[in-house]
Amino acid sequence: DTEVTQTPKHLVMGMTNKKSLKCEQHMGHRAMYWYKQKAKKPPELMFVYSYEKLSINESVPSRFSPECPNSSLLNLHLHALQPEDSALYLCASSPGTGGTVYEQYFGPGTRLTVT
Amino acid sequence: AQKVTQAQTEISVVEKEDVTLDCVYETRDTTYYLFWYKQPPSGELVFLIRRNSFDEQNEISGRYSWNFQKSTSSFNFTITASQVVDSAVYFCALSEAFLTGANSKLTFGKGITLSVRP
Repeated sequence: DTEVTQTPKHLVMGMTNKKSLKCEQHMGHRAMYWYKQKAKKPPELMFVYSYEKLSINESVPSRFSPECPNSSLLNLHLHALQPEDSALYLCASSPGTGGTVYEQYFGPGTRLTVT
Repeated sequence: AQKVTQAQTEISVVEKEDVTLDCVYETRDTTYYLFWYKQPPSGELVFLIRRNSFDEQNEISGRYSWNFQKSTSSFNFTITASQVVDSAVYFCALSEAFLTGANSKLTFGKGITLSVRP
C-alpha cells in the first residue's frame, strides 16, 4: 500500500480564517513533506519533517504552520492567508532512513482558494 | 546548484504513437538520484521511476522505458504505443546527496504536458 491521504480535497477560506490541512500515511515512512503547487508549475517544497521533527523550512511565511503530531500524521495550519496563497497543496512521504534517497509518495492534494 | 531542464513544454500525439520526453540535468555531485513523476488531471503525482547515478542501465516497464546517459546528463523517458490514459504532465526530478536524518530535496523540471488524442 503506497497511499497518502489528504483532507479536505477542496477548501475555500477567507483571509481572516484559520483552517488546517491534514495528511496521513500508514506506510511506516519517517519523512513527510509539504509542497505548494501553482497552476502549470512544478511543486515547490515548503517543509520537511524527519522522524517527527522539522528538518527543512524553505523560508515559508509564518502564516503557514506545520505540525507533525506522530509519525503517520502531518498537519498544515493556515492563518491570515493571502489570495496569492491559493494553490494545490501536496503532501508526500518517503522512508526517510539514512544512506540513500528514496522516492516520495504523494497524496491527491488539497486545492485551496483564498478569497 | 542542481538544475533540471525539460525543454519540451507541450507534446501532442495520436494514440499508438511512440513519444520521448527529454530531461537534462546539472549537478556537481557524483552521487545523485533521478526520478520521473506523472501528474494526471486529478492532481496527484504518481511515482514512475528512481535511478541512482551509479546505475546507467536502461529500464523497461511495460510500455515505459528510460534511457539514462551520464555522458550527456540526460534521463529520457519513452512511452511506446501511447494511450489516452497517458495524457498528463510529466516531471523529471533530481536529488543530490542525502541529508542526515531526512531525505534530501527534489529539484523538479518545469514539466511536460503530454496530450494523447484518440
